[in-house]
Amino acid sequence: SQQGEEDPQALSIQEGENATMNCSYKTSINNLQWYRQNSGRGLVHLILIRSNEREKHSGRLRVTLDTSKKSSSLLITASRAADTASYFCATAPKAAGNKLTFGGGTRVLVKP
Amino acid sequence: NAGVMQNPRHLVRRRGQEARLRCSPMKGHSHVYWYRQLPEEGLKFMVYLQKENIIDESGMPKERFSAEFPKEGPSILRIQQVVRGDSAAYFCASSATGGEGNTIYFGEGSWLTVV
Repeated sequence: SQQGEEDPQALSIQEGENATMNCSYKTSINNLQWYRQNSGRGLVHLILIRSNEREKHSGRLRVTLDTSKKSSSLLITASRAADTASYFCATAPKAAGNKLTFGGGTRVLVKP
Repeated sequence: NAGVMQNPRHLVRRRGQEARLRCSPMKGHSHVYWYRQLPEEGLKFMVYLQKENIIDESGMPKERFSAEFPKEGPSILRIQQVVRGDSAAYFCASSATGGEGNTIYFGEGSWLTVV
């Protein structure tokens, strides 16, 4: 499987619930970034977490990074219908400079 | 403060024609990246450029595709003799430097349809 695999591939929740998605990767990384993409639109940067960081918060978003397990999670608390989108993790492998490797994404549907 | 600007947003080309996609990075950014996204998939790296230099083109198909980032003006991704398989969304991104830990900002994409 490729560097940066999201799990689950799709997630359907009710408004107000939390949404958790995971990302696994294979090689050592400099950092990991999470992006959101609405259908037919570009990617919106959400959070960057460095390899020496374990957790980061931004508003209703919480990202964790476990370099020993080569995994990261994105938690969206108190979800809203506007959170409906695809979420991608992107890793910057240590050997690859700023070249990001994306997973296939998690498609999140928040039902009102 | 404009973000990464791409144009055109949508482009339709017949097989065999040329497609030119333009990207202006965020103000103050001198590092540009091009990615391709096929339907229902993640983005795949194509090329990384600085002004007048190609830094990494390991994701570029060997034929028909080329990219440039001249001293003046936008970065251009050029696809010659397009085929149906080139139909995809092409995203440009930019960063302030090439160092690790840099946030990379993406444009809205250019959707190419080859008919």
